Amino acid sequence: AQSVTQLGSHVSVSEGALVLLRCNYSSSVPPYLFWYVQYPNQGLQLLLKYTSAATLVKGINGFEAEFKKSETSFHLTKPSAHMSDAAEYFCAVTHSGGYQKVTFGIGTKLQVIP
Amino acid sequence: DVKVTQSSRYLVKRTGEKVFLECVQDMDHENMFWYRQDPGLGLRLIYFSYDVKMKEKGDIPEGYSVSREKKERFSLILESASTNQTSMYLCASKDAGRDTGELFFGEGSRLTVL
Repeated sequence: AQSVTQLGSHVSVSEGALVLLRCNYSSSVPPYLFWYVQYPNQGLQLLLKYTSAATLVKGINGFEAEFKKSETSFHLTKPSAHMSDAAEYFCAVTHSGGYQKVTFGIGTKLQVIP
Repeated sequence: DVKVTQSSRYLVKRTGEKVFLECVQDMDHENMFWYRQDPGLGLRLIYFSYDVKMKEKGDIPEGYSVSREKKERFSLILESASTNQTSMYLCASKDAGRDTGELFFGEGSRLTVL
């Protein structure tokens, strides 16, 4: 069984401030972890992924996330928020194997205040 | 680039109507998925298919069925639409041969059932 918990369904930050979106996972086997971003009226697109290589993962648009096994966490960060970062962000978990389903969190809406 | 196309972006149907949501992908992916997205609930898996004519129930299959007659096409069917099926429906595909679990999404179909 696998699950994802995203703390905070809405997060507001000022432009230029640190972005921190929290994700904790539960998995009975070593996980693969993902962050997806969804802009208004669009589908989801991949931001970054962890698949058991380096624990600090860099993605697009300056985002990064760190896999911490001891804390079962995969928090998403960006040093300086930009107005264009306003979107909804989803954390997801799966595991090794080509036919595994992917489980998503409830999403976090990021608001960037000018 | 992988392209996942959902035939209808917006649909309005009446209670009891039969509804077909079509999804086509152009990258020869084995796996295809249907999720529904609701505020505060994130993405929930309805059905997935790991090959032609194969299907597996996801977490919320009740009231839905699927069809996968060709590898590139995965259809979601609401036999008798109800108001609680008003939602955003997202189709996704995944390459089963690549063990990284990344999903590629369509832009979504927003269904309103009156």
